[in-house]
Amino acid sequence: GAVVSQHPSRVICKSGTSVKIECRSLDFQATTMFWYRQFPKQSLMLMATSNEGSKATYEQGVEKDKFLINHASLTLSTLTVTSAHPEDSSFYICSAPLAGPYNEQFFGPGTRLTVL
Amino acid sequence: AQSVTQPDIHITVSEGASLELRCNYSYGATPYLFWYVQSPGQGLQLLLKYFSGDTLVQGIKGFEAEFKRSQSSFNLRKPSVHWSDAAEYFCAVGEAAGGGNKLTFGTGTQLKVEL
Repeated sequence: GAVVSQHPSRVICKSGTSVKIECRSLDFQATTMFWYRQFPKQSLMLMATSNEGSKATYEQGVEKDKFLINHASLTLSTLTVTSAHPEDSSFYICSAPLAGPYNEQFFGPGTRLTVL
Repeated sequence: AQSVTQPDIHITVSEGASLELRCNYSYGATPYLFWYVQSPGQGLQLLLKYFSGDTLVQGIKGFEAEFKRSQSSFNLRKPSVHWSDAAEYFCAVGEAAGGGNKLTFGTGTQLKVEL
């Protein structure tokens, strides 16, 4: 099956710094990727849809200036958490659909962000 | 707007016993339905999916699920649970969004397996 990677797998940073998380589709191209956030023992909440060559589409309540998304190529999307604060600590997961009849999504392994 | 309900937050079963995890959805059209499993600190692994056709779908690891339109349900089943099945299970419904399926997840069911 299709493989999606994320880097880093975990990151610890100081409050006020920015953190970049990469999501790559390793063996297929994806014009669209999705970013999710998961709090401990909770479900995944869709944050935004990353669109190659155009602006990301953010879900209601997600600050686009706080969570910068760049879909630089057909295999790479990045999420930058700007001026991170402890409340941004979470598990961030990306997914990419494989083009086909149903555009099935494949998920990355996730990135654990801890803001001190 | 689409939504997914997983009424059971926690379920405990004995190893070897049968399992059924409930999922109800709300969606205007024919849904794309998914079950994912997540082990602690890990990403999501797809167990099975329903897009169309046969309403009983088989997945990996011996799991199956049945789509029942009249009940708006997509319950996950396994005849005999193994200790390694202990994990968090998520049901999700998808809608077309640009080039991919935009997924809405249920709140998850934590499965504990007693030896």
